[in-house]
Amino acid sequence: QSVLTQPPSASGTPGQRVTISCSGRSSNIGRTSVNWYQQLPGMAPKLLIYIDNQRPSGVPDRFSGSKSGTSASLAISGLQSEDEADYYCAAWDYSLSGMIFGGGTRLTVL
Amino acid sequence: EVQLVESGGGLVQPGGSLRLSCAASGFIFRSYWMSWVRQAPGKGLEWVANIKPDGSEMYYVDSVKGRFTISRDNAKNSLYLQMNSLRAEDTAVYYCTSDGQGTDIYYFDSWGQGTLVTVTS
Repeated sequence: QSVLTQPPSASGTPGQRVTISCSGRSSNIGRTSVNWYQQLPGMAPKLLIYIDNQRPSGVPDRFSGSKSGTSASLAISGLQSEDEADYYCAAWDYSLSGMIFGGGTRLTVL
Repeated sequence: EVQLVESGGGLVQPGGSLRLSCAASGFIFRSYWMSWVRQAPGKGLEWVANIKPDGSEMYYVDSVKGRFTISRDNAKNSLYLQMNSLRAEDTAVYYCTSDGQGTDIYYFDSWGQGTLVTVTS
């Protein structure tokens, strides 16, 4: 069981807006920044959102991140078929002195 | 362009050892924290270890403490993971990452393509 909790699956139709949640604790999300990673099928993960809501260069502004208290969310607007992937949240945990990941959310574009 | 190229994966018996390497280019290697992250077949991501730019601090996930050692050679722009006493549950693709770090900030900025480690008898 992961320290960060994500729904195992999410889905949407093209053009829709979907959100993926990530629930943590005061020792991780409640104290430090959250990051999101996208892993396309058969590929290495890629940084999608860092420091809660910052997008690396090249990431479309359809992707956005937010955080409140001990929870964070990833929102994808204008869903496209190429967004079908696994999404992971991550944060440093000060109790464990290490980085932790959520269990991942598989996004299906219907 | 940042490039991270892992090597050294393969098939090893339980109790055996393996040394992974990661060749870095396209950025000032000696200025960045670096990590190893793994992914067991069909499973999620798990951070394994990280190391400070000057190599003076290292952190490990509990499951590998005492068995794995992360190190780096800034003169060779290379990151390493020495894995001893390997177990079946260490079977995974191992990714090398270059990291962003600051006060209450840590993220895996760039990722290599990974190298597969299979522990089986």
